[in-house]
Amino acid sequence: SQQGEEDPQALSIQEGENATMNCSYKTSINNLQWYRQNSGRGLVHLILIRSNEREKHSGRLRVTLDTSKKSSSLLITASRAADTASYFCATDSPGSGAGSYQLTFGKGTKLSVIP
Amino acid sequence: DGGITQSPKYLFRKEGQNVTLSCEQNLNHDAMYWYRQDPGQGLRLIYYSQIVNDFQKGDIAEGYSVSREKKESFPLTVTSAQKNPTAFYLCASTTWGQGFQPQHFGDGTRLSIL
Repeated sequence: SQQGEEDPQALSIQEGENATMNCSYKTSINNLQWYRQNSGRGLVHLILIRSNEREKHSGRLRVTLDTSKKSSSLLITASRAADTASYFCATDSPGSGAGSYQLTFGKGTKLSVIP
Repeated sequence: DGGITQSPKYLFRKEGQNVTLSCEQNLNHDAMYWYRQDPGQGLRLIYYSQIVNDFQKGDIAEGYSVSREKKESFPLTVTSAQKNPTAFYLCASTTWGQGFQPQHFGDGTRLSIL
């Protein structure tokens, strides 16, 4: 089942501008992750934020988490053409075995950064 | 360099045929996953395995089968029972470290119907 839903579905900005993507989810989580996917490639992990954290930074990335609203946002500052990709949020959920877990991915935001 | 290798990159299936997608990792990860991605969609979990000789169904396991005979390998078979197999298939792995660990992905196999 799809838990995370990203918004907007597509975003087009000029190089140097900031890009903000949002993710909403339905059930309680332990962690929320953001991944990036270049066209035709696998996903690459960007950042993880735990349910007891409100904000996290990594280079030009800033992630916020609001568990009361069940939402997260990913901000990419000073965007570059190389940031063009699809971005997915993923939430964890317990798997069917002890100690296991599954990730549930949203449909992604397709970001285009125009040089 | 450690990583996940998926092969082949492109695969074509004829009607009534089973095809097997390969996934190998040298990261010494315990858990491995198979996802299906349709155009403009997120990833949907097909199967996952926490340890050798054990695996669990994900959300869309019908028409697929897996095996986990070695820690490094988690092949996925798309059977003839899967009537709409055209998609991008991604394999991932992770381990149980201190706290939650992210998943590492291969570069996918694109499967099409002939």
